[in-house]
Amino acid sequence: KAGVTQTPRYLIKTRGQQVTLSCSPISGHRSVSWYQQTPGQGLQFLFEYFSETQRNKGNFPGRFSGRQFSNSRSEMNVSTLELGDSALYLCASSLVQIYNSPLHFGNGTRLTVT
Amino acid sequence: DAKTTQPPSMDCAEGRAANLPCNHSTISGNEYVYWYRQIHSQGPQYIIHGLKNNETNEMASLIITEDRKSSTLILPHATLRDTAVYYCIVRVVSDFGNEKLTFGTGTRLTIIP
Repeated sequence: KAGVTQTPRYLIKTRGQQVTLSCSPISGHRSVSWYQQTPGQGLQFLFEYFSETQRNKGNFPGRFSGRQFSNSRSEMNVSTLELGDSALYLCASSLVQIYNSPLHFGNGTRLTVT
Repeated sequence: DAKTTQPPSMDCAEGRAANLPCNHSTISGNEYVYWYRQIHSQGPQYIIHGLKNNETNEMASLIITEDRKSSTLILPHATLRDTAVYYCIVRVVSDFGNEKLTFGTGTRLTIIP
């Protein structure tokens, strides 16, 4: 079974631009969540989607947004990029239909803002 | 979610068992213990989880103390590919699901040839 797929793998953007990252969950997984990883803050939860609805949100500014499509694929968008947004962005999916199903992560998109 | 405490780093000789401790003294009755690891430049990889009984799978064993205040992840025969940062996480699981994991700083495990 294919794992969680994130595209692109690497991205370089300039301050003030916006960016869209994509995540395809494991087949059958309906929950998709996003995390930001930086050397200073570690892994931090951004938001989680299930059945196209955002169920949970972390403590990030409104410049960070996301959405989920009917096929469970998800995108996250960051507008008005800042240097501090440089990070590894990780997507995880889980089979919430099964109680206590673990999250499975993709290998992330490494975003560099210059 | 309860907070976890892990040693920042550990070394283990190749071929020996690696025992990674985790303290979660404030764990609640409905919180599970999860272990993930992250190899450089990859996403976290799920290893194992448990509630109160010891668990074993093809990757590792998880030993949880009777009072559930601490646990140990055991990699029975460590290889160089086990060099990674290991995260111990406690997670509340409800009927509605909880897909938010709170990661600490983890333990950097280095396998020595």
